[in-house]
Amino acid sequence: QKEVEQDPGPLSVPEGAIVSLNCTYSNSAFQYFMWYRQYSRKGPELLMYTYSSGNKEDGRFTAQVDKSSKYISLFIRDSQPSDSATYLCAMKSNNAGNMLTFGGGTRLMVKP
Amino acid sequence: GAGVSQSPSNKVTEKGKDVELRCDPISGHTALYWYRQSLGQGLEFLIYFQGNSAPDKSGLPSDRFSAERTGGSVSTLTIQRTQQEDSAVYLCASSLEIQEKLFFGSGTQLSVL
Repeated sequence: QKEVEQDPGPLSVPEGAIVSLNCTYSNSAFQYFMWYRQYSRKGPELLMYTYSSGNKEDGRFTAQVDKSSKYISLFIRDSQPSDSATYLCAMKSNNAGNMLTFGGGTRLMVKP
Repeated sequence: GAGVSQSPSNKVTEKGKDVELRCDPISGHTALYWYRQSLGQGLEFLIYFQGNSAPDKSGLPSDRFSAERTGGSVSTLTIQRTQQEDSAVYLCASSLEIQEKLFFGSGTQLSVL
């Protein structure tokens, strides 16, 4: 079993929909949680970063962390075709330096 | 002001050959990372350089893989005697010291025939 599980999709939604992307994990030592967006043939770019449990909002994006359930989510409001990409969750523990453990990514398609 | 630069963007090689992949990090970034992304898979950590410290090589999958970083800047990932299972996208990232924000390059797509 992988340390971080993520549904590969693809997830197809109409423009304007609210998108929910999720990851589950097994390592209770993870303290830092990130979401990266990766366009085709590009490297991942950091979207959201949270520490421990709680919510964080940035524009149309909201990240949630529930450490008790070992479950993290990324919500995208008013989704746009330009949001079509693969979304990767990543996480690390306090003593991992900057070595991140990634989920496999969810491919999102937002249709006009 | 350029981002992380990787070359070549694509590399096709024959099984058994050696390959070298290059990464030029963002100027001033002291930390440099190599990750591997196989089709449909998440990113797999390979190796990490931080300043003048000894690199963290804990993710290298075999002794055919090695990396060096010269002058605290450019890094080269070398794969000797390539195998078909080495086919993947090799991504390089850099960051300022040990921070959470990694800046990734666009990767090198390696295909071993």
